Amino acid sequence: GAVVSQHPSRVICKSGTSVKIECRSLDFQATTMFWYRQFPKKSLMLMATSNEGSKATYEQGVEKDKFLINHASLTLSTLTVTSAHPEDSSFYICSARDRTGSSYEQYFGPGTRLTVT
Amino acid sequence: AQKITQTQPGMFVQEKEAVTLDCTYDTSDPSYGLFWYKQPSSGEMIFLIYQGSYDQQNATEGRYSLNFQKARKSANLVISASQLGDSAMYFCAMRAIFSNYKLTFGKGTLLTVNP
Repeated sequence: GAVVSQHPSRVICKSGTSVKIECRSLDFQATTMFWYRQFPKKSLMLMATSNEGSKATYEQGVEKDKFLINHASLTLSTLTVTSAHPEDSSFYICSARDRTGSSYEQYFGPGTRLTVT
Repeated sequence: AQKITQTQPGMFVQEKEAVTLDCTYDTSDPSYGLFWYKQPSSGEMIFLIYQGSYDQQNATEGRYSLNFQKARKSANLVISASQLGDSAMYFCAMRAIFSNYKLTFGKGTLLTVNP
C-alpha cells in the first residue's frame, strides 16, 4: 500500500530555534499534502494544505510566517516551525493524497513529536 | 462548514464482544465522505473504513462496519469480536466534495478492550 514517511519522528529543540519536518510519499506522487497538529488527548487540527508548485493554503488562525510550508516536488513537503516556543510543542502529522488513486485516498505519515524546551 | 461530533470520550468493551462507537455529522454539502481512523498510542493514523454519502450499502471491512443513517446524519463504527489490539483512539472524520479533500475530525473516542 501507499506509504508516507516523516522525518524526524521526534525532535527536541531550544526555544527560539527553527525546526524542519519532512513528509515524503514513498511510492506514489502526491499533488496535495496536508499538515495537522495534535495536542495530547485531542483531535487533529488541520493547519494547512500544501499543493505541489504553489503556495500553501493555511487554515484560519494558523500563522503562515511561523509555520512555513514548502511542497517543492510531488513526493516531498516540508513544515518549518520558525522561532519555536514551548507552546509549539505538539504532535505534527502529515497526510498525502495520491493523485492517481480513488478520490478519497489519503495516507497519513507516522507523525513527528516536537518538544520545545 | 463541516462538523463531526463524537460524544463518547471513552468506551470499554470485553474481549470478543462487539462495540459501537458513535459519530454524528453536520454539513450542507450534497456529497461527502465519512471515514474512521484508529490511532494507537504510537500515534500513526490507521485508515479503517470509508462511506460515501451516495453509497447504497453500509461499508464493511473485515471486523469493521459502518452503520450509516443518512437521515439521522450518523455514521457509527461497529467493531465485532473485539481484540486487545483494538485498544486505541478512534476518530470519525468527514470530507465534503467542495472541501479540496480536507478532512474534519471529531474529538475521538478512547476504546479500551478488557481481557
